[in-house]
Amino acid sequence: GIQVEQSPPDLILQEGANSTLRCNFSDSVNNLQWFHQNPWGQLINLFYIPSGTKQNGRLSATTVATERYSLLYISSSQTTDSGVYFCAVDTGNQFYFGTGTSLTVIP
Amino acid sequence: SAVISQKPSRDICQRGTSLTIQCQVDSQVTMMFWYRQQPGQSLTLIATANQGSEATYESGFVIDKFPISRPNLTFSTLTVSNMSPEDSSIYLCSAGHQQYEQYFGPGTRLTVT
Repeated sequence: GIQVEQSPPDLILQEGANSTLRCNFSDSVNNLQWFHQNPWGQLINLFYIPSGTKQNGRLSATTVATERYSLLYISSSQTTDSGVYFCAVDTGNQFYFGTGTSLTVIP
Repeated sequence: SAVISQKPSRDICQRGTSLTIQCQVDSQVTMMFWYRQQPGQSLTLIATANQGSEATYESGFVIDKFPISRPNLTFSTLTVSNMSPEDSSIYLCSAGHQQYEQYFGPGTRLTVT
């Protein structure tokens, strides 16, 4: 099956800093989503982004499907941004989750 | 979008028993799925819950261990049967109108002792 690798696996940021999270996938995909899993375990949809760039407040995402990667940008990070960020890809047959990036924002 | 609720939110169960997890969606959806997330790991798809027919299981998951029902377009259950400590995980239900845009419930934290 398709491999979905995220980097970095762990990230610690000072509040107010910016960061870029990466999602690489090994084969063509139909669609891609970014999720934030908060410390209580709830998965929150951030972006549905099969290609191009989208922005929502301090977050933005870019997917370059031809090069098989997606980036999630977090600007001016806040402690509430802490948690695990997952990308997930749809191959048409199945929805595969990435390995995740665990983000800790310290005040 | 869809709002999804799960019951129970957490449970502690004895080895050898079974637990049924319920998933309720606030609107009719085409697709419903069940995932398992073991501690510190990513999510793994268990099965697709098909309305009115048998679920479609992924490699490594079988109906005898994880029977699934989906009697209508807003409700599904997952049973974890004959539990062992290795079944301790978070079990998540997701739903959506398309496979590629899924919304998740809050999860059920299961501990098997």
